[in-house]
Amino acid sequence: AQTVTQSQPEMSVQEAETVTLSCTYDTSESDYYLFWYKQPPSRQMILVIRQEAYKQQNATENRFSVNFQKAAKSFSLKISDSQLGDAAMYFCAYRSPNTGNQFYFGTGTSLTVIP
Amino acid sequence: IAGITQAPTSQILAAGRRMTLRCTQDMRHNAMYWYRQDLGLGLRLIHYSNTAGTTGKGEVPDGYSVSRANTDDFPLTLASAVPSQTSVYFCASSVQRGEKLFFGSGTQLSVL
Repeated sequence: AQTVTQSQPEMSVQEAETVTLSCTYDTSESDYYLFWYKQPPSRQMILVIRQEAYKQQNATENRFSVNFQKAAKSFSLKISDSQLGDAAMYFCAYRSPNTGNQFYFGTGTSLTVIP
Repeated sequence: IAGITQAPTSQILAAGRRMTLRCTQDMRHNAMYWYRQDLGLGLRLIHYSNTAGTTGKGEVPDGYSVSRANTDDFPLTLASAVPSQTSVYFCASSVQRGEKLFFGSGTQLSVL
C-alpha cells in the first residue's frame, strides 16, 4: 500500500501570513493523483486542491497552491494571506488509479491561525 | 441536494452488540468507501467497492463487513462491537479514475 506522510502534527500561522504544510508519499507508480483536504471543527471534509501527477504545473486555487516535486515525492500546500477560517485539520491524500482506486491519507496537520 | 447521507450521526453502543452504519449517495458514483478517523492516525480505509456487486478490503477490515447490493447504498456492519472500534466513521464516494472523494458528514461511534 502507498504511504503518505505528514511530518507536522501541528502548525500555527499569524493571520495574513503564509504557511506551508508538508506531505511526502511513497509510490512506484507514475500515474496518480494527489489531494489536500481540509477538515474544520464541523467535521466536514472539504477538498482544497487536486494535482495530477502527469502535469508538471503546480495546481493553484485562490490563496492555496501546491509545490509538487514528483522526483522527490513531495506535495506541500502553501496557504497565502492566512485567514481565521483556514484553521482546521489538513489531510494530504494519494489516489492510485491502479490498486483498486483507493485513496490513502496522511495523519493530518492541525493548523492554528493566530489573530 | 445531491450528496452522501450517513446515519446515524452518533451512536453509543454496548460492546458485543451488532451495529450497521448506513450510507446512501444520490450521485450515481461507482466507487464507495468506508474510512475510520482516529486522532493521530488520520483516515484509514476499512472497505471499498468499485462497483455494485463488488467489495474489497482496505487497511483495517477486521471486525467489519460491507455489502453493495446497488449503486446507491453501502452499509457497514460491526458484527460484535469492541471498544477499539470507537471512532468517527466516514462514508465516501467518487467517480472512477482520479476524481475527488465526496464525503458524508460522519458517524461518531462510541463502544463501551
